[in-house]
Amino acid sequence: DAGVIQSPRHEVTEMGQEVTLRCKPISGHNSLFWYRQTMMRGLELLIYFNNNVPIDDSGMPEDRFSAKMPNASFSTLKIQPSEPRDSAVYFCASSLRGDSPLHFGNGTRLTVT
Amino acid sequence: RKEVEQDPGPFNVPEGATVAFNCTYSNSASQSFFWYRQDCRKEPKLLMSVYSSGNEDGRFTAQLNRASQYISLLIRDSKLSDSATYLCVVNIIPSGYGGSQGNLIFGKGTKLSVKP
Repeated sequence: DAGVIQSPRHEVTEMGQEVTLRCKPISGHNSLFWYRQTMMRGLELLIYFNNNVPIDDSGMPEDRFSAKMPNASFSTLKIQPSEPRDSAVYFCASSLRGDSPLHFGNGTRLTVT
Repeated sequence: RKEVEQDPGPFNVPEGATVAFNCTYSNSASQSFFWYRQDCRKEPKLLMSVYSSGNEDGRFTAQLNRASQYISLLIRDSKLSDSATYLCVVNIIPSGYGGSQGNLIFGKGTKLSVKP
């Protein structure tokens, strides 16, 4: 079975542009998580979905960030407008249920100049 | 108090050494605990779950102490290939939420470097 698939692997964009990150969870997993990782702050949970419904988005930094999960096999994380401080690696992970081990995608390395 | 705290290290040990990491958590209602390993510029990967009675997987032993709210990871006979960052993960139940599912919160990780 394919693992969690994220795209793109790398994204370089200019400040003010819209960025969309994509994630396909493992088939059959009903929980999906978006994390952001930086050297300073480590892995931060941004938002968590269960059965396509957002359960907790308290980690989303501000209104510039939004996430959707229109169906069980796809989720997006959008940043609009992007800022240099958004530069980080963004990981998507899925699990069978909310308290099961996470399976991570390869991540998207975002650089905002 | 932070939700999940780890000693950042780095731990620099010779091959064959035994090394132990601790991780403390703040939410007494937490029910799921894991150790992950992350290599440089890679995604975190599950090393092992942590069970109430403690569990062992080869050279790795995980322990849970609910009374003191910490989990530990012991690595025996360390290998060069064990060099990585080790992350503890705890599910934090949002206040007022009645279910067992919660947010899986990562510690910042402890860096281990095993030298020849």
